[in-house]
Amino acid sequence: DAGVTQSPTHLIKTRGQQVTLRCSPKSGHDTVSWYQQALGQGPQFIFQYYEEEERQRGNFPDRFSGHQFPNYSSELNVNALLLGDSALYLCASSRTGTNYNEQFFGPGTRLTVL
Amino acid sequence: GDSVTQMEGPVTLSEEAFLTINCTYTATGYPSLFWYVQYPGEGLQLLLKATKADDKGSNKGFEATYRKETTSFHLEKGSVQVSDSAVYFCALNRIQGAQKLVFGQGTRLTINP
Repeated sequence: DAGVTQSPTHLIKTRGQQVTLRCSPKSGHDTVSWYQQALGQGPQFIFQYYEEEERQRGNFPDRFSGHQFPNYSSELNVNALLLGDSALYLCASSRTGTNYNEQFFGPGTRLTVL
Repeated sequence: GDSVTQMEGPVTLSEEAFLTINCTYTATGYPSLFWYVQYPGEGLQLLLKATKADDKGSNKGFEATYRKETTSFHLEKGSVQVSDSAVYFCALNRIQGAQKLVFGQGTRLTINP
């Protein structure tokens, strides 16, 4: 049973560019959450997708957008990249309706903005 | 809003020492509480969890008890190993509403042989 997978593993972009990160959830999971983890910090919630809609959003600007596909996979898009967007981006999947909706994390995509 | 505060690191111990990493939280209602571990270059792995007051989560020799009266969820291990070296994150998750995790800042643990 494959766990949560993310691609690419690493990415280098320059300021002002746009980036798309991808996530495939664990089998049987229908909910995908995205987190940003800056160096030396805990992960910060960006948003969550369920039934192809954004269910909740954290304190991130509109430059951060996402999408969920019918097969439950998800994309995170960041426009007009800033140096401060450099971070590890983590995807987590869960199954809505369980007692505490345990979230399983992927290995992350390391984004460097130059 | 909800928040989690962990003891500041880094923490350095010798092998077989006793470990405590403090975690306190602020949240309305009754959140679920978690400890996640992150090994170098990897994503997060769930270490243990507790979903209601007085629950004790345990895994791989680690334990943490959900203390509602002190709003705490301290992580303990009786005898640490070099392989326990990692960053540990305390987190909470509301049972009601959208299931977003709120994390502490993390505690880097280094175990010396």
